[in-house]
Amino acid sequence: SAVISQKPSRDICQRGTSLTIQCQVDSQVTMMFWYRQQPGQSLTLIATANQGSEATYESGFVIDKFPISRPNLTFSTLTVSNMSPEDSSIYLCSVEDREEGLSYEQYFGPGTRLTVT
Amino acid sequence: QKEVEQNSGPLSVPEGAIASLNCTYSDRGSQSFFWYRQYSGKSPELIMSIYSNGDKEDGRFTAQLNKASQYVSLLIRDSQPSDSATYLCAVSRYSSASKIIFGSGTRLSIRP
Repeated sequence: SAVISQKPSRDICQRGTSLTIQCQVDSQVTMMFWYRQQPGQSLTLIATANQGSEATYESGFVIDKFPISRPNLTFSTLTVSNMSPEDSSIYLCSVEDREEGLSYEQYFGPGTRLTVT
Repeated sequence: QKEVEQNSGPLSVPEGAIASLNCTYSDRGSQSFFWYRQYSGKSPELIMSIYSNGDKEDGRFTAQLNKASQYVSLLIRDSQPSDSATYLCAVSRYSSASKIIFGSGTRLSIRP
């Protein structure tokens, strides 16, 4: 399966600022996803990022707050804009990938732990 | 009604026993089903995927799917302390792994 890295692994930010999270994959993938996992909660899909098109956002998430770039098939960024303490979460990048002869599955990066003070 | 429901636990199982984790889903059009394991402070790790009714075995893990009843389960045989984690059930209405919806997870504790 694809190997995914994220930067930064964690950060502490002041309210009102923005943070850009990077996601790098070791192989070309069509579909990349960004999730949020708030403390003690499960994962919530923020958006789907396909190369060459605008990201598709889920209900409750907007581009102005979470702009996403997908410049090529191995890289994506998620920006958390104008942060408030409610944005404190783990942000996870994932990709849809498959091994030869098998079905598509989704694999996750290590996550970025964001604390907003 | 939540789209994917799981008992939050904690589920406590003695070492060596079978742990049984259950999940129900509301979208009858769902086609792809996944079980992820998440250790505290780590990202989810895919354990099993299942797409058709019946059982699918992989080592100590068996996933069971019943689309008519809209439930999917995960059995862990010969439970080990290292199996202690939160298990997330995830469902997609697509035949691929797109737009997965996660349950809230079941916390499993294996007691020695």
